[in-house]
Amino acid sequence: GENVEQHPSTLSVQEGDSAVIKCTYSDSASNYFPWYKQELGKRPQLIIDIRSNVGEKKDQRIAVTLNKTAKHFSLHITETQPEDSAVYFCAASKHATNYGGSQGNLIFGKGTKLSVKP
Amino acid sequence: DGGITQSPKYLFRKEGQNVTLSCEQNLNHDAMYWYRQDPGQGLRLIYYSQIVNDFQKGDIAEGYSVSREKKESFPLTVTSAQKNPTAFYLCASRTGSTEAFFGQGTRLTVV
Repeated sequence: GENVEQHPSTLSVQEGDSAVIKCTYSDSASNYFPWYKQELGKRPQLIIDIRSNVGEKKDQRIAVTLNKTAKHFSLHITETQPEDSAVYFCAASKHATNYGGSQGNLIFGKGTKLSVKP
Repeated sequence: DGGITQSPKYLFRKEGQNVTLSCEQNLNHDAMYWYRQDPGQGLRLIYYSQIVNDFQKGDIAEGYSVSREKKESFPLTVTSAQKNPTAFYLCASRTGSTEAFFGQGTRLTVV
């Protein structure tokens, strides 16, 4: 089955600096890669996602890049702010063409705790 | 108000007891998921279901059971066979390869 590795597990940056979180996946059939942000005591929420037919996607200060050949994808946060402090999770899944089996599952990395110091 | 709702928010289990966590969604999503969250372990998949009356084991299914009798509901039972059930449990739902929406979670504690 799919395995997602995420690094680093903790990341501390100064306000205004950039932060980069990297993930690798094992299943070459995976085609959907979301990133979630989880603030303390709250549910994870989607911040950006990318599909396998796209190499890069940007939304204001957040960008995600995907390298299908190397099977890795990264989250980039520029001009970090204290409110960016949270745990970030990457995930991988593949489209379910048949019900049953492992298709359609959504596997997460172990998370990165980002701290932005004012 | 559309969304995905988990109940209860806090749950206490005695040794040897089975307990059931509720997850209901009114988003008309086909797929539903149960994850366990422990500090430093991320979100580990327990079970998932892509369609009514069908579900698949995730990476840590031992000691858990589920049912999917209705599209809107995907309850998780933590059985006495689960030796270390204290954790934060999250339910999620989605359709196809799209954004998954999470419930607010249930914190289970063994007393």
